[in-house]
Amino acid sequence: RKEVEQDPGPFNVPEGATVAFNCTYSNSASQSFFWYRQDCRKEPKLLMSVYSSGNEDGRFTAQLNRASQYISLLIRDSKLSDSATYLCVTNGQNFVFGPGTRLSVLP
Amino acid sequence: NAGVTQTPKFRILKIGQSMTLQCTQDMNHNYMYWYRQDPGMGLKLIYYSVGAGITDKGEVPNGYNVSRSTTEDFPLRLELAAPSQTSVYFCASTKGGDGPGELFFGEGSRLTVL
Repeated sequence: RKEVEQDPGPFNVPEGATVAFNCTYSNSASQSFFWYRQDCRKEPKLLMSVYSSGNEDGRFTAQLNRASQYISLLIRDSKLSDSATYLCVTNGQNFVFGPGTRLSVLP
Repeated sequence: NAGVTQTPKFRILKIGQSMTLQCTQDMNHNYMYWYRQDPGMGLKLIYYSVGAGITDKGEVPNGYNVSRSTTEDFPLRLELAAPSQTSVYFCASTKGGDGPGELFFGEGSRLTVL
């Protein structure tokens, strides 16, 4: 079993749609959690950290359930510019990356 | 505002050749990492370093070597290149210390072994 698993994707959604990404992790010792965004042929960049209480940054909401070892990312009112691959990342001893879920927002 | 700088950006190698991917950061970060990313896959950790003079193997270290003689530099050496090493290589750094912070990535080095 992979340490971090994500929805296989790709997700193709129209502009303005709400889209949710799911992620599960197997290492219960993981201490920190993140969502990174990776544009095609570019390096990953931090989208947001994920806290146990849940956190929101504009149209983006991240949630963490430590008991279920589950992380989610919700994007509301999606824009064309949201098209990218979204990487779920955990950190215990080291950062562990999920395989990513590709999102295409269509006009 | 350089951040993490990797060179070269692109390289084609013949089987059996050797080369070094350079990585330098100007943020005084203690922790540095090398990842590889194969098409459609996640990032896999090759080697990491928690400070000058300290390096450790990651998930896929075979065929690679690293050194960390200074805080700024973390070169990755490929010895006897093989087609299986065709990939995109990313160097990253973070401050470390009191819990993990943001990972900052270089722009990547695209390596093809023929």
